Amino acid sequence: DAGVIQSPRHEVTEMGQEVTLRCKPISGHDYLFWYRQTMMRGLELLIYFNNNVPIDDSGMPEDRFSAKMPNASFSTLKIQPSEPRDSAVYFCASRGEKWTQYFGPGTRLLVL
Amino acid sequence: AQSVAQPEDQVNVAEGNPLTVKCTYSVSGNPYLFWYVQYPNRGLQFLLKYITGDNLVKGSYGFEAEFNKSQTSFHLKKPSALVSDSALYFCAVRDDNNAGNMLTFGGGTRLMVKP
Repeated sequence: DAGVIQSPRHEVTEMGQEVTLRCKPISGHDYLFWYRQTMMRGLELLIYFNNNVPIDDSGMPEDRFSAKMPNASFSTLKIQPSEPRDSAVYFCASRGEKWTQYFGPGTRLLVL
Repeated sequence: AQSVAQPEDQVNVAEGNPLTVKCTYSVSGNPYLFWYVQYPNRGLQFLLKYITGDNLVKGSYGFEAEFNKSQTSFHLKKPSALVSDSALYFCAVRDDNNAGNMLTFGGGTRLMVKP
């Protein structure tokens, strides 16, 4: 199994631009999680899905952030418009048996 | 509510010595406990977990962790540290009394193993 796949691995953009991060979970996993990691705030849960349905989006910082999961093998996290404070590493994880989460390699986002 | 604490921001140990990375938790029901490791510029990698059963759990790369219910702890251990073990370690918990499916992660402990 290829594990959780995220793209792009690195993204540099300018303030005000739209950013779309992509995730492909492990096949057969029915939960998908989006996290953000910064030095200041550590690892934060943004949103998670069960069977493609958003369950808890209380961690999404602002309306500028949105996430979708159109099917079991694909999810996106979109930031529009982006701001410098959104600079972080964004991780996607999918859940296997007994609540074990498996993380992707992350997308390192820099907003100038 | 479920919570987890990693009291040490950094742990320093000499190569070949035993290492311990501490984790304490708080739940209202029974805990499901996890350890993850993060190497530089990588995602979090699952090491081991405790759900039920034997209090000593063995995981990847020679790591083990001991569940202690009375002390509400789940410390990560390794008998002999390697320089390559240097990384960021996260403890996580899920409360089985919690209908949600989230894990709560600690703030992480940086392990530095010196030659």
